[in-house]
Amino acid sequence: QVQLVQSGAEVKKPGASVKVSCKASGYTFTSISIHWVRQAPGQRLEWMGWINTGNGNTKYSQNFQGRVTITRDTSANTAYMELSSLRSEDTAVYYCARLSRLDYWGQGTLVTVSS
Amino acid sequence: DIVMTQTPLSLSVTPGQPASISCNSTHSLLHSDGKTYLYWYLQKPGQPPQLLIYEVSNRFSGVPDRFSGSGSGTDFTLKISRVEAEDVGIYFCMQSMQLPLFTFGPGTKVDIK
Repeated sequence: QVQLVQSGAEVKKPGASVKVSCKASGYTFTSISIHWVRQAPGQRLEWMGWINTGNGNTKYSQNFQGRVTITRDTSANTAYMELSSLRSEDTAVYYCARLSRLDYWGQGTLVTVSS
Repeated sequence: DIVMTQTPLSLSVTPGQPASISCNSTHSLLHSDGKTYLYWYLQKPGQPPQLLIYEVSNRFSGVPDRFSGSGSGTDFTLKISRVEAEDVGIYFCMQSMQLPLFTFGPGTKVDIK
């Protein structure tokens, strides 16, 4: 069955970076895009960007341009989302999901940014 | 950017009764390829969102047939024919018409009376 398993919760200081992983199983990793979405407390879901897991091409929301980098390791069937220059407003649950229809989601990774 | 709105923002429903949620977008979600990129998700407490409906009216695998989606252009509706206790949570609509920026509605919280 399709599964996306994300790395564990992180606590970071303002200005630091965080890298969240998303390990896929149950399907051919390189044939289906991976998207990243975050959910901050009290805010609506926010799409961050996506990666074509076949060729590595990426597209990012302008809201995160310059701060977010999405990569993948095809040998490990894993996608990564790195967010830099963290600020308190980046405290959120970060999700990976497959395909532009976001049909399967990871369990979420809580990132807390606090001094 | 395409902005998504939903009404109502909260809904309390008696089990066995129908429920309806509206979603509106500021721009048409009809793509030149003929598809309309409007989706519905349910986020149950403590869980990630789960896909219910894709491209306006297509139920995702395993979604009960009491859920249905309809609409076109900028106006869309999710209907639950007979609400069950397991349907509580927050319902979101999402558009992926405008790449590279998907946007979500604010969510409609559904609980049981």
